[in-house]
Amino acid sequence: AQKITQTQPGMFVQEKEAVTLDCTYDTSDQSYGLFWYKQPSSGEMIFLIYQGSYDEQNATEGRYSLNFQKARKSANLVISASQLGDSAMYFCAMRGDQGAQKLVFGQGTRLTINP
Amino acid sequence: NAGVMQNPRHLVRRRGQEARLRCSPMKGHSHVYWYRQLPEEGLKFMVYLQKENIIDESGMPKERFSAEFPKEGPSILRIQQVVRGDSAAYFCASSPWTGGHEAFFGQGTRLTVV
Repeated sequence: AQKITQTQPGMFVQEKEAVTLDCTYDTSDQSYGLFWYKQPSSGEMIFLIYQGSYDEQNATEGRYSLNFQKARKSANLVISASQLGDSAMYFCAMRGDQGAQKLVFGQGTRLTINP
Repeated sequence: NAGVMQNPRHLVRRRGQEARLRCSPMKGHSHVYWYRQLPEEGLKFMVYLQKENIIDESGMPKERFSAEFPKEGPSILRIQQVVRGDSAAYFCASSPWTGGHEAFFGQGTRLTVV
């Protein structure tokens, strides 16, 4: 069974600062994928970034990067130069080695960016 | 290129009524996944379907819930005899094959049972 743990229910950050959202995972699969999604107050799920378990380099997408530490089973999301529009819920999720897009989600972190 | 379309966006049902939630996957996608999100929680997997087949329904409640993805038309999540605890956001995601890097989510249907 897979499990995702996000230990920060809420975070408050000043605009333009960098922020790290924590995510740890547990799985016995050899191959897996890790995802981050953003859910603004409007409710939709917005894909941010993906990291495969065999990817040697950390994934980056614009201001988003994924700090992947396989031995520690952590997949933290780093947002550089935060903006007011980054205020939202952020979910970490993982997919096992069955190949299908059946995702297991964490409880989420509510990020608030202060001006 | 339209994304995953879910309708209705909001649905209000009285206890005991039936709720039908529809999901049209992205063009060319033949895999559909349904998730449920209770307030202040993450999404929980319910069911995975391919055209005309249920592949994995390990997250579906045993009673009152059913899902289908017919050869033609959208995928349907059906909840019979709704109860207050069914109030949640229901998300559909689609993917073109089993190994892609992301599933594309619809905007969700917010079901309120009164």
